[in-house]
Amino acid sequence: DIQMTQSPSSLSASVGDRVTITCRASQSISGYLNWYQHKPGKAPKVLIYSASNLLSGVPSRFSGSGSGTDFTLTISSLHPEDFATYFCQQAYSNPLTFGGGTKVEIK
Amino acid sequence: QVQLQESGPGLVKPSETLSLTCTVSGGSVSSGTSYWTWIRQPPGKGLEWIGYIYSSGRTNYNPSLKSRITMSVDTSKNQFSLKLSSVTPADTAVYYCTRDVRLHSSGDSWFDPWGQGTLVTVSS
Repeated sequence: DIQMTQSPSSLSASVGDRVTITCRASQSISGYLNWYQHKPGKAPKVLIYSASNLLSGVPSRFSGSGSGTDFTLTISSLHPEDFATYFCQQAYSNPLTFGGGTKVEIK
Repeated sequence: QVQLQESGPGLVKPSETLSLTCTVSGGSVSSGTSYWTWIRQPPGKGLEWIGYIYSSGRTNYNPSLKSRITMSVDTSKNQFSLKLSSVTPADTAVYYCTRDVRLHSSGDSWFDPWGQGTLVTVSS
């Protein structure tokens, strides 16, 4: 199985801050890396597919980059509604696997 | 747009079978481009992909759970289901149903939408 390691596991930030979350795969997954946002009690929501493609309706302050084993999710300017848990998922091979999540909290 | 909702018992006894159903609204479970998927998250742990069932009935399960899983589709009710047998407390988790969207031209895929999840506790 491909192991996905996310860092940090949590961070504190203020509205307006630039936030960067990283995800590392245990082997190359090409560009098949997705990012999701999850708020408590709600359904997870996909933000980015295949490393850098923003889903329709996702604000442009979200961006993704990377290929191979190292990937990054960036929120350019944190909005109040962005406080949530973010997790990555590799879509390269079965079984599909996920990162452990990054909780973005208010400083 | 497509919406998903999980349903089923919140408490299952050890050694019994966990049964969950996902109701699809705003779309058809018979859609030829959708892989209907189950994912779970044990308390305090990460997400685990359980497997999927295609509209044709073809399945693909996580090898770690394969011997205990059965998935099915009911086109008349627009639902798909998960059965996990011989459960133990380690199967306690929030179970999510979702759709694996695939672009066959590019190989891109992602999960969208997701249900809100349902907590299943395995305890006597």
